[in-house]
Amino acid sequence: DTGVSQDPRHKITKRGQNVTFRCDPISEHNRLYWYRQTLGQGPEFLTYFQNEAQLEKSRLLSDRFSAERPKGSFSTLEIQRTEQGDSAMYLCASSTGDFGTEAFFGQGTRLTVV
Amino acid sequence: DQQVKQNSPSLSVQEGRISILNCDYTNSMFDYFLWYKKYPAEGPTFLISISSIKDKNEDGRFTVFLNKSAKHLSLHIVPSQPGDSAVYFCAASARNFGNEKLTFGTGTRLTIIP
Repeated sequence: DTGVSQDPRHKITKRGQNVTFRCDPISEHNRLYWYRQTLGQGPEFLTYFQNEAQLEKSRLLSDRFSAERPKGSFSTLEIQRTEQGDSAMYLCASSTGDFGTEAFFGQGTRLTVV
Repeated sequence: DQQVKQNSPSLSVQEGRISILNCDYTNSMFDYFLWYKKYPAEGPTFLISISSIKDKNEDGRFTVFLNKSAKHLSLHIVPSQPGDSAVYFCAASARNFGNEKLTFGTGTRLTIIP
């Protein structure tokens, strides 16, 4: 296991199309997080899962966004009817959830909406 | 509202000297603080963390200091090396309050001059 894996690395889509990203966390990690980073900003929290349960969603996660972690392993983030403002780096992270342990991030998916 | 602030967007330091990156926070519920390092087109990489019960944590060339009364933390890198050139993000969470999501600052771009 080489760390958190995200696919695809880059995605260019036309406005109005749907896109789906995948995240494979570190295998023994039960917590999985999605963040979004735009230019000049730090990553912003979107949502997180403990196993298959989605425990918290940011108000940034509009109803066009949906995330799943069906078997408590990999997760998908879908954006419906993409808008130009959705262009960003989408980051996935995982952790064991134990206090004092950090979250490990994947390399991200760069989304460009044209 | 920006709960975690990094007021210096950039910093240049001579190789071999000390780099000091600063971070301020406003949310008194934050009890766990982390520094991440980010290279272009990659996800953030964990560097060092500190719990609010400590005021200093050291790991090799990296030391994080926490001043709870001032709601301020800093990252010291000594000696600075060219490979340290990256964007550094300060992040915080309120783990003892059951909230693991990370709130990030906007980052400081560190450039080490050979």
